[in-house]
Amino acid sequence: NAGVTQTPKFQVLKTGQSMTLQCAQDMNHEYMSWYRQDPGMGLRLIHYSVGAGITDQGEVPNGYNVSRSTTEDFPLRLLSAAPSQTSVYFCASSYSRTGYYGYTFGSGTRLTVV
Amino acid sequence: GNSVTQMEGPVTLSEEAFLTINCTYTATGYPSLFWYVQYPGEGLQLLLKATKADDKGSNKGFEATYRKETTSFHLEKGSVQVSDSAVYFCALDATSGTYKYIFGTGTRLKVLA
Repeated sequence: NAGVTQTPKFQVLKTGQSMTLQCAQDMNHEYMSWYRQDPGMGLRLIHYSVGAGITDQGEVPNGYNVSRSTTEDFPLRLLSAAPSQTSVYFCASSYSRTGYYGYTFGSGTRLTVV
Repeated sequence: GNSVTQMEGPVTLSEEAFLTINCTYTATGYPSLFWYVQYPGEGLQLLLKATKADDKGSNKGFEATYRKETTSFHLEKGSVQVSDSAVYFCALDATSGTYKYIFGTGTRLKVLA
């Protein structure tokens, strides 16, 4: 099925561990982004990319790295996990940054840092 | 800066009741406006959109009208069903500003049979 695929769906990390959240889309979308969803705070933009080789910071980038080596993939790396990074993470893609056509979201990764 | 304000939930309704979820916005320029829906355990899905003043977006019985004079984009449905239980997010895509695509905090809707 066409869309945005995120893995894993659930993850528990210990403080200080690192990991990579995977995101892949098969719609040839140029724009991809990562959000975190926390209760009462809606979705906050972590990092985004407007095309392969181009990434930029969003609203809450600290503690996270991204890269975009292909159009399809946009992994999010947690460098040294902290309890404050406990959240649900969503990857989204779109034909363009403007979002005119709306964003397509993955089903999310629920991360718990203990 | 750009922002979206939604009514706080949860909203609890009986089946076939009328639904209104309020959304107001602040943005520079002339933003496009969106409603997304998130069902339990899933990602957000685009529900409807409007790209200019007085436009009405509609989908699956839901409607919202872009009101520039009141900077609002309220979501309505005439008769809700249990299957409409979800979290609804209002969003805007501004033409300027640091972060142009902004989501509201979401409103949880629970429909009782």
